[in-house]
Amino acid sequence: EAGVTQFPSHSVIEKGQTVTLRCDPISGHDNLYWYRRVMGKEIKFLLHFVKESKQDESGMPNNRFLAERTGGTYSTLKVQPAELEDSGVYFCASSQDEARGGEQFFGPGTRLTVL
Amino acid sequence: GDSVTQMEGPVTLSEEAFLTINCTYTATGYPSLFWYVQYPGEGLQLLLKATKADDKGSNKGFEATYRKETTSFHLEKGSVQVSDSAVYFCALLGGTALIFGKGTTLSVSS
Repeated sequence: EAGVTQFPSHSVIEKGQTVTLRCDPISGHDNLYWYRRVMGKEIKFLLHFVKESKQDESGMPNNRFLAERTGGTYSTLKVQPAELEDSGVYFCASSQDEARGGEQFFGPGTRLTVL
Repeated sequence: GDSVTQMEGPVTLSEEAFLTINCTYTATGYPSLFWYVQYPGEGLQLLLKATKADDKGSNKGFEATYRKETTSFHLEKGSVQVSDSAVYFCALLGGTALIFGKGTTLSVSS
């Protein structure tokens, strides 16, 4: 069974540009999460989808970030316009059933560098 | 709010040494607790978990016990290997979102 995949693995952009990150969850997983780790700090929750609906987006830092999950399959996270402080590693995770102790399966992450 | 504090790294050990990485948490109620590991170039992998007080999670020779009295979930391994070199994250489940510590880098030399 394929794991969670993320694309691209690395992205280097200039301040003010737009970047779109993609996450493909494990097939059949209704729950999809985005997290971010800024250099040297904790991995922080951004938002949670259940199928195509945003269940919790309390961690989204500001309105420059837009997440979508059309059709309840893959998800995209767009940053527009990117700022220097957006640099970090963006992780996606998916889970089948929240009731099962919350085990979330993570992708390898996308390392975003904003210059 | 809920939070996780884990010991700062890096931790450098020789092969076969004993490992402890401390983790304490602050939370309302009794959340599930986790240790995740990130090997170089890979994503986060669940290492072990415990869902209630006094539970012991174990995997690959690693163990951690959910201690309600001390609000701790310390990770231990009796004899580390070079292949254990990675970043270890302690986490709790706050609602549906995981709340992580800052991560501890472990480097094991032969």
